[in-house]
Amino acid sequence: ELKVEQNPLFLSMQEGKNYTIYCNYSTTSDRLYWYRQDPGKSLESLFVLLSNGAVKQEGRLMASLDTKARLSTLHITAAVHDLSATYFCAVDLRDDKIIFGKGTRLHILP
Amino acid sequence: SAVISQKPSRDICQRGTSLTIQCQVDSQVTMMFWYRQQPGQSLTLIATANQGSEATYESGFVIDKFPISRPNLTFSTLTVSNMSPEDSSIYLCSVEDAGGYEQYFGPGTRLTVT
Repeated sequence: ELKVEQNPLFLSMQEGKNYTIYCNYSTTSDRLYWYRQDPGKSLESLFVLLSNGAVKQEGRLMASLDTKARLSTLHITAAVHDLSATYFCAVDLRDDKIIFGKGTRLHILP
Repeated sequence: SAVISQKPSRDICQRGTSLTIQCQVDSQVTMMFWYRQQPGQSLTLIATANQGSEATYESGFVIDKFPISRPNLTFSTLTVSNMSPEDSSIYLCSVEDAGGYEQYFGPGTRLTVT
């Protein structure tokens, strides 16, 4: 059974600081997703990582994937208040089903 | 990217009743998925709905409780039957894009059962 573990689950940080969210998964997968969810809203796709060593960046967010270690990271650079949200990683099960981590609730203090 | 709408956006229902949630996509898609997000929790896959075949349910979810229809390539419904307060959740549909890489989510239906 595929397990997807995120840490930390809660993160409160100051604006301007850097931090990393980690996503570990338990079985082989070739596709990893990062989503953002604002309170009361649906999920917004941030990144899809398709291969080992993949790195994608959008603004202050950068995601990477190490399929050998079964690890993805979401790095936040110089955080701003607008990035406060819950971030989910999700892993594809090779039959187009995706399994979600528990999410990381990020609160950035102004 | 696919544009997905859901109806209703929210509802408050009484215990023992049923609610049907609609999911409409602006393009034809092969696979549609239904998820549940309980308050403060992550998303759990309920079932996969393919046009022309029975939905495939995940462990812990059964057709009698969550019947699904998929009459065509742009539409699906999920019914939450004989509701109890434990069914209070956000229900989201999602679709896979034509390239098979991205999954997009609808806005969700927030269900409260009293």
